[in-house]
This record gives sequence, structure tokens and C-alpha cells, in this order.
Amino acid sequence: QKEVEQNSGPLSVPEGAIASLNCTYSDRGSQSFFWYRQYSGKSPELIMFIYSNGDKEDGRFTAQLNKASQYVSLLIRDSQPSDSATYLCAVNIAGSARQLTFGSGTQLTVLP
Amino acid sequence: GAVVSQHPSRVICKSGTSVKIECRSLDFQATTMFWYRQFPKKSLMLMATSNEGSKATYEQGVEKDKFLINHASLTLSTLTVTSAHPEDSSFYICSATYFGRPEAFFGQGTRLTVV
Repeated sequence: QKEVEQNSGPLSVPEGAIASLNCTYSDRGSQSFFWYRQYSGKSPELIMFIYSNGDKEDGRFTAQLNKASQYVSLLIRDSQPSDSATYLCAVNIAGSARQLTFGSGTQLTVLP
Repeated sequence: GAVVSQHPSRVICKSGTSVKIECRSLDFQATTMFWYRQFPKKSLMLMATSNEGSKATYEQGVEKDKFLINHASLTLSTLTVTSAHPEDSSFYICSATYFGRPEAFFGQGTRLTVV
């Protein structure tokens, strides 16, 4: 079983819609959860991170964490074509000295 | 702040030669640096964790003698791919963390092509 799982997509949404990206993780001791965006040929850039159960909002992005269900999601409101990228979920596994374990990524396309 | 610079961004080398990739934290002292490898349309795979002044910790399956990591200072880590072969062609990315911040900051990545 993979430690961090994401739907690979591709996920397509029309411009202005809400994009919903999901991620599950296997280690209940995981402490920190991150969403990164990666454009083709570029390195990942941090969108946001979340520690506690519930929602965390930053501009058009909302991260949701449910530790009981071992589930973390990212919502992108008012999606723009520039949001088209691969979104990587990353988890800091407990006791791993802040190493990140990445999911395989979800490719998002926002259609103009 | 928290900028990580990785150099070179692209390199082409002949099979059998060695290539050195540098990862620098420009405006902070990195407690830990990480090296990843990424194949096309795949996720990042952690190769090794590097702490200043100590030996790197390699992930299972990563050859220590092939991927030499040196972390000589709190702002510089290097990855040397020795005796490179075409199967080593990949996108190599470093990241760095520092005390008090939970997130990792990534370098720009290095596209290595071995011909």
C-alpha cells in the first residue's frame, strides 16, 4: 500500500469552477500535510500546509484535513487556466526528521 | 525569503563521466537538505537526507557510491552522479528546511541527460 495516494487524473474543470483535489495517507502518526504545485519541467512550489483537523484558507485555496479518515484535500475556487499544473500532496511522516513523502500527483487542467 | 538555488539547471554529459549538482540556501541556514529524483510524469522520490557535517542518509535502493552527497556547510549541499549512464538521466531536485519552519523549500531542479 502506498503511503500517500492521489488520483492521478487528469482532472479538467472549466474556468471559474471549483477544483477539488484529494489525498489519502496511511500513517496515522503523520503530523504535517502539504500541497505543492508543479508546472511541467519545474520544481514544486508550496501552496499551503495544514496541521490541524478542519479547514485552512489562503486566498482561492482551501486545505481540508480529516485525521480520523486520513484524508486531506485542496479546493481551488475560481479556477484559472494558470492553475493548470500537477498538484502534489506531501506528508511528513512521524519520526522521519521532516522528510516529505509525496503522492504521485494529480494533473489539473483548467479549460478557458 | 527562503530561497534555494540549484545549479546547473540543465546538464548533458557523456556516459562514464561524473556530474556535480549544487544546492545552496541563499538567505537561511539549512538544518537539513534533501535530494529527490523525478522521472517524467512520476512523483518525487527521495534519494537521501543530508545534514551539515555528517554523512548523508540514503534511501533504500539508492547507491551511495554512485550518488555522492557532500554537505560541507549550512548553506551548501552537493550531489555528484559518478560514472553516469543513460539510465541516470532524470530531473534531480533538492530541498532545504530550517528550524522553525515546517515546509521544505525547493531548488529549481537539474535536468540531467546522459548520452
